[in-house]
Amino acid sequence: GAVVSQHPSRVICKSGTSVKIECRSLDFQATTMFWYRQFPKQSLMLMATSNEGSKATYEQGVEKDKFLINHASLTLSTLTVTSAHPEDSSFYICSASPGLTGSPLHFGNGTRLTVT
Amino acid sequence: QKEVEQNSGPLSVPEGAIASLNCTYSDRGSQSFFWYRQYSGKSPELIMFIYSNGDKEDGRFTAQLNKASQYVSLLIRDSQPSDSATYLCAVNKTRGNEKLTFGTGTRLTIIP
Repeated sequence: GAVVSQHPSRVICKSGTSVKIECRSLDFQATTMFWYRQFPKQSLMLMATSNEGSKATYEQGVEKDKFLINHASLTLSTLTVTSAHPEDSSFYICSASPGLTGSPLHFGNGTRLTVT
Repeated sequence: QKEVEQNSGPLSVPEGAIASLNCTYSDRGSQSFFWYRQYSGKSPELIMFIYSNGDKEDGRFTAQLNKASQYVSLLIRDSQPSDSATYLCAVNKTRGNEKLTFGTGTRLTIIP
């Protein structure tokens, strides 16, 4: 089945630094990937849609200059949290689909970000 | 009104019984419906998806969709302790792989 790999699974960084999270589709090509954020005991909130070869589409309220998304190939999207602050601490999850009509999204294993 | 609503639970069900999870959605034009299971600290994993009114069965799981009532449910037969997790309902306006809107999830506990 479709596999999405996300790295790192856990990262701790200091306030003010930047963190890059990678999302790879291992056995299929994904022209579109999605980045979600989940705070404790809350649902997944879509942050942005990553489009291969073009700019990402951000959801309302998500700062595009803070959450930089690069989708440089059909199998890789990266999310960089710039100048991280403690309030950015969350569970970040990417997802992708093989793109066939009706094919559902598959999620990466998520990245637990803690900003100290 | 939230786009996708679920009872947060917790829902406790004895082992071996049927667990029934419910979800309502507000956009009548929604086309595809998904159930994901999420263990604590892990990312969601797809359980089932359904597009048409009626029932869809896969092993111990049955998804039920009623578009007229804007209601989708998930039944888990012969519940096992390993089924204890948070179940997320997700809705899409198309049948494609565009962005999903998630409910807040229902926490299910299977009691041995």
